[in-house]
Amino acid sequence: EDKVVQSPLSLVVHEGDTVTLNCSYEVTNFRSLLWYKQEKKAPTFLFMLTSSGIEKKSGRLSSILDKKELFSILNITATQTGDSAVYLCAVEAYYSGGGADGLTFGKGTHLIIQP
Amino acid sequence: ETGVTQSPTHLIKTRGQQVTLRCSSQSGHNTVSWYQQALGQGPQFIFQYYREEENGRGNFPPRFSGLQFPNYSSELNVNALELDDSALYLCASSLQVGGANVLTFGAGSRLTVL
Repeated sequence: EDKVVQSPLSLVVHEGDTVTLNCSYEVTNFRSLLWYKQEKKAPTFLFMLTSSGIEKKSGRLSSILDKKELFSILNITATQTGDSAVYLCAVEAYYSGGGADGLTFGKGTHLIIQP
Repeated sequence: ETGVTQSPTHLIKTRGQQVTLRCSSQSGHNTVSWYQQALGQGPQFIFQYYREEENGRGNFPPRFSGLQFPNYSSELNVNALELDDSALYLCASSLQVGGANVLTFGAGSRLTVL
C-alpha cells in the first residue's frame, strides 16, 4: 500500500523565518510527487516533481525531490502571514492493471506564521 | 477560464439517508476525481471518471457511487450514510493526455452526518 508521511504535522514560526517541510513516501511505480497548499478548503497546486535533484522554484517557495532516499522538501523563505495554511504532499503512481489509483496524500503540515 | 465548482457547500444529513454531491469540471478537463477529507487528515481517493466511465477506485464501499456526464460534470452519491461519512468531499478535474496530471480542486462540499 502506498504511503506518504509528512513532518512536522504542525509548525509555528515568526514572520520572516525560513521553514522546511518534509515528505517521505513509499509507492509502487512512482510517477510524480506533488505539493498543494490548502488554506480554507480547495487545495491549490504548488509543484510537481518527477526527477531527482532538480529544484523547482516559485517566488519564495522551492522544492526538491530525492528518488533514491524517497523524500521531498518544501522550503519557504522570508515567510509571511499569508503563508499560513496546511501544506499537503501527495504521490502519484503509474496506473496499475485495475485503473487509476488516484493521489496518495499525507496528513499535511499545518503551518502558522505569527506576525 | 472557470475553475472547479461544487455544490452544495454545506449540508447536514442523518444516518441512513442518501446524499448527492455535484461538481462542474474546469473548462477543457476530461477527467474528474473525488476525494474524502476527514478532519485533520489528507484527502483520500474515492474514484476517478474518464469518458463517463469509472476507471479507478480507492478503498471505499459500493455505497459510494458516481457519474460523469457528457459535459464532464460529475456526481458523487453516497447511500446509507454513516457517522464516519462526515467529511469534506473534494472534486478535482484534470486533462488526461498521458503525462503526469495536475489536479485542480474545487472548494468542496462539507457533509455532516448526525
